[in-house]
Amino acid sequence: EPEVTQTPSHQVTQMGQEVILHCVPISNHLYFYWYRQILGQKVEFLVSFYNNEISEKSEIFDDQFSVERPDGSNFTLKIRSTKLEDSAMYFCASRIGGQETQYFGPGTRLLVL
Amino acid sequence: QKEVEQNSGPLSVPEGAIASLNCTYSDRVSQSFFWYRQYSGKSPELIMSIYSNGDKEDGRFTAQLNKASQYVSLLIRDSQPSDSATYLCAVTFSTSGTYKYIFGTGTRLKVLA
Repeated sequence: EPEVTQTPSHQVTQMGQEVILHCVPISNHLYFYWYRQILGQKVEFLVSFYNNEISEKSEIFDDQFSVERPDGSNFTLKIRSTKLEDSAMYFCASRIGGQETQYFGPGTRLLVL
Repeated sequence: QKEVEQNSGPLSVPEGAIASLNCTYSDRVSQSFFWYRQYSGKSPELIMSIYSNGDKEDGRFTAQLNKASQYVSLLIRDSQPSDSATYLCAVTFSTSGTYKYIFGTGTRLKVLA
C-alpha cells in the first residue's frame, strides 16, 4: 500500500541553523501539507501546497519557513534559522484530489539545542 | 477562531467494554470529520471519516455525527488493550479550495486488561 515517507526520522540541530525536512507524498496525490506537534500538544496546521504554490498557511508559518517541491516527488520544509521553540515532530501529509482524507507520514522529530 | 474540543482524558475502560470518545467543533460550515489514532511518538493513523449526519460503522468502530449540535463521537466496541492510544478528532475547514485539518487536543484512552 502506498504511503507517505519522511526523512530524516530524527534531526538534531543548533539554534540558528537551517534545517530541511524531506517528504515524499503518495505518488498520485495532488495536495500536500505540513503539520507540527510540539511534545504533549495538539497537531497544528502549518501550510498547504497545491499546483506548485502555497494555498494556505497558518500564523506559525512565518518568514523563517518555506516549502518547495523541487521535483515530481519530493516536498520539503525549510526552517531558515531554527529556534528552540521549533523543537517538535513535523508531519507531512498528502491527499488525492476530490477527497478530503489526508494520509500522514511517520514524522521527523526535530530537536533544536 | 475555529476550534475543535476534546476531553484530554485519560479515559479508562476495562477490556471488552465500549469506549465513547467525544468531540465538539465551533464552525457550522465544517463539512468533514475524521477520527485518527495516534500512538505515542507515532503519526496519526486514520480510523474513520464521516460526512453526513447519523452513524457510520466500520468493524468495532462507529462514528456519530450531529451537525445541528456540532458534535461528533467515536464508539469503540469490545475495547482491546491495543486500542490504548490518543484519539484525535479532526475537522476540515475549506478556504480557497484547500482543506486543512483543525485537530482537537486528543483524548487519551486506556484499555485495562
